[in-house]
Amino acid sequence: ETGVTQTPRHLVMGMTNKKSLKCEQHLGHNAMYWYKQSAKKPLELMFVYNFKEQTENNSVPSRFSPECPNSSHLFLHLHTLQPEDSALYLCASSQEGVVDNEQFFGPGTRLTVL
Amino acid sequence: QQQVKQSPQSLIVQKGGISIINCAYENTAFDYFPWYQQFPGKGPALLIAIRPDVSEKKEGRFTISFNKSAKQFSLHIMDSQPGDSATYFCAASIIPRAYRGATNKLIFGTGTLLAVQP
Repeated sequence: ETGVTQTPRHLVMGMTNKKSLKCEQHLGHNAMYWYKQSAKKPLELMFVYNFKEQTENNSVPSRFSPECPNSSHLFLHLHTLQPEDSALYLCASSQEGVVDNEQFFGPGTRLTVL
Repeated sequence: QQQVKQSPQSLIVQKGGISIINCAYENTAFDYFPWYQQFPGKGPALLIAIRPDVSEKKEGRFTISFNKSAKQFSLHIMDSQPGDSATYFCAASIIPRAYRGATNKLIFGTGTLLAVQP
């Protein structure tokens, strides 16, 4: 595996379900991000982890819970979601401390909340 | 102040034509302006980026034009090809200084869906 991988690629869940999204980066980076991508809206930054520490929580509802056990893995735990949470969830990674540190994105998880 | 406004929302160009996508920003502290390209089923990928100390940057058929006084920047795709059909996002950020815990927080535009017709 190379780059940034995300699983599952598609997820359908009910409002009472609990599920988790997984992201893994194979680039040796030390920063990881969760973004929400909705149609006709800018990518919304949700969370940032730097050296496994959360450095950004962009006013995300508590029904989204991130976890970063190490620099290579990032999870997004989902519970009691709403239909408006249906979107493409993108994970990205970058190397902090590098000028113009490019963010590398995974392919995303397409989430549908029924 | 944190918004990046992108236009047009969609664009249809004939093969061989020039595609132009525009972005405007408000925050004069922004000092990094990347363009990302996203194909269906894929995540965005960095296409080209510019810093405000230059007015133009060219990489192959892709050129960023930057107007600091107008707080605008644009992407030009010369000799557009059907393979360029994708969604393009502009973004802006303040480059973090090299200290631990700082990350490049990108503010994205709403995206432009480009279709290049053969």
